[in-house]
Amino acid sequence: ILNVEQSPQSLHVQEGDSTNFTCSFPSSNFYALHWYRWETAKSPEALFVMTLNGDEKKKGRISATLNTKEGYSYLYIKGSQPEDSATYLCAFPPASGGYQKVTFGTGTKLQVIP
Amino acid sequence: SQTIHQWPATLVQPVGSPLSLECTVEGTSNPNLYWYRQAAGRGLQLLFYSVGIGQISSEVPQNLSASRPQDRQFILSSKKLLLSDSGFYLCAWSQQGSGELFFGEGSRLTVL
Repeated sequence: ILNVEQSPQSLHVQEGDSTNFTCSFPSSNFYALHWYRWETAKSPEALFVMTLNGDEKKKGRISATLNTKEGYSYLYIKGSQPEDSATYLCAFPPASGGYQKVTFGTGTKLQVIP
Repeated sequence: SQTIHQWPATLVQPVGSPLSLECTVEGTSNPNLYWYRQAAGRGLQLLFYSVGIGQISSEVPQNLSASRPQDRQFILSSKKLLLSDSGFYLCAWSQQGSGELFFGEGSRLTVL
């Protein structure tokens, strides 16, 4: 079982503040890392797929970076808005096991206060 | 476009009763199918996955079973529910060879 950790577990920020959180994963045999956003009463939705060391992806105010050598990915939200409130999950498929055995982190629950 | 549906959305069942959660995918063929569970305060745990009709892999020993009677249908079952089976269950699919998962709406199971 792979160890995929996310921190912090939860986060409260004021509207307009920028924030970031971390996903840590085993640095050996890296294949890819996925970020998902899970809003309350909805299904998780894919945000980014990160595959190369140094990758940086951006979607609107949300961006993510990847460091495969040290085994972490950061998710940044610039100018947080109430609609950004959600649980953010990272997911890590093992290179040997294939995509069928994706391990999810426990998530970071973000609450943006208006 | 592809869609995924699972039902029922909410279920309250007594201990020892059977369970059947159903999931169907439309708009694609030969998908990988998954059942995940989120227990209270924990992350998403992979329960079962399937790469084809009748092919089921179990990730953790448990009181549950899964079946894939048709290409785009995935069913999660139990003959006798335990209190510890309570949780939020998510069905998901992916294209063969892709890691991006598309999730259903989820089913909240409470076992009393």
